[in-house]
Amino acid sequence: DTGVSQDPRHKITKRGQNVTFRCDPISEHNRLYWYRQTLGQGPEFLTYFQNEAQLEKSRLLSDRFSAERPKGSFSTLEIQRTEQGDSAMYLCASERGGDSYEQYFGPGTRLTVT
Amino acid sequence: AQRVTQPEKLLSVFKGAPVELKCNYSYSGSPELFWYVQYSRQRLQLLLRHISRESIKGFTADLNKGETSFHLKKPFAQEEDSAMYYCALIPGTYKYIFGTGTRLKVLA
Repeated sequence: DTGVSQDPRHKITKRGQNVTFRCDPISEHNRLYWYRQTLGQGPEFLTYFQNEAQLEKSRLLSDRFSAERPKGSFSTLEIQRTEQGDSAMYLCASERGGDSYEQYFGPGTRLTVT
Repeated sequence: AQRVTQPEKLLSVFKGAPVELKCNYSYSGSPELFWYVQYSRQRLQLLLRHISRESIKGFTADLNKGETSFHLKKPFAQEEDSAMYYCALIPGTYKYIFGTGTRLKVLA
């Protein structure tokens, strides 16, 4: 197991386009998180899955953002009608579950909206 | 509002000097608190969790509920400690709240 992977690593898109990112967590980890990180800030929580169930979603997330985790394995994060303000690093992390609170982060997907 | 504050964006210390990275939180319940670290060109990773009370790489952090603080300390800084450090809070659910981070530079 090579850890959490994310694809693509970089994405440049034009304003108004839709983009989709993928995260493959560590196998057997049943919690999965998405974060957004901009320059000079810490990771900002977007959403969280327990297996395939999306249990929490940030109120900061507009309706243009959606995430799925079918079958409780990999997850996708889609941003519709991208805006320049969406430019950021999008991080995925997974956790084993139970009372294990160690998040394993992926390398991130850097999104640039032109 | 639930919040994590790291007042220093950058902290520079000389090798061998003590280090204290400050973290204050805002949460009325019993918090779960963590320190995460990101070394250059590496992923963010857990350094320590308050409930474990372990010392990792010589770092310790004590939860002070009266001052709502969870400062990270190391008695003698090493050059390999240079990294970005983030304090994080779980306010009752699994929704992590991260601070803005402190960049630690250990000078030779």
